[in-house]
Amino acid sequence: NAGVTQTPKFRILKIGQSMTLQCTQDMNHNYMYWYRQDPGMGLKLIYYSVGAGITDKGEVPNGYNVSRSTTEDFPLRLELAAPSQTSVYFCASSFTSGDGPPTDTQYFGPGTRLTVL
Amino acid sequence: GQNIDQPTEMTATEGAIVQINCTYQTSGFNGLFWYQQHAGEAPTFLSYNVLDGLEEKGRFSSFLSRSKGYSYLLLKELQMKDSASYLCAVTSFSGNNRLAFGKGNQVVVIP
Repeated sequence: NAGVTQTPKFRILKIGQSMTLQCTQDMNHNYMYWYRQDPGMGLKLIYYSVGAGITDKGEVPNGYNVSRSTTEDFPLRLELAAPSQTSVYFCASSFTSGDGPPTDTQYFGPGTRLTVL
Repeated sequence: GQNIDQPTEMTATEGAIVQINCTYQTSGFNGLFWYQQHAGEAPTFLSYNVLDGLEEKGRFSSFLSRSKGYSYLLLKELQMKDSASYLCAVTSFSGNNRLAFGKGNQVVVIP
């Protein structure tokens, strides 16, 4: 298993440009997440998904969009990049059965380092 | 909302023991995770506590007190490779079971 993969690893954007951060997992996990991590800070949840076709906002969703058309893929879209979106973006996945809390481990991708100038 | 507090940095000597604390305030607590994150890398899972008490995994142990909103991660026989940030994360019903992360505690191991 490759686990959670993310592309690209690095990207520089100009203000106002758009881009999609790709995330794929091959563990058949139902839950997927997008986080951002600013220097010296913890992880902030942007969006998450509990299964294909279902997404929901996290703590800091403004300026981002997501979709989950398949179990494996969970792309994150930035429409109008702003300097405040300069950060490291991590995608993660986990498996949770039933309606219980996500007690299972979240597996993280290697991250995408984004700079907006 | 959820409030998670961790001290920011500590330095320890190789072979020593270090304790990293985490306090949290949340309603509907469901569990607490510890993750390790090396510089420039993704977080990796270390431990999970949902009941009060100590969970031991080799050189790492994690303790939880639900009544006090408190957890600690104990690292024994420190090795240079243990230099990393240690993130505490809480899941709760009030947060729709999503993980809320603290800022992390940077541990620097010196020879």
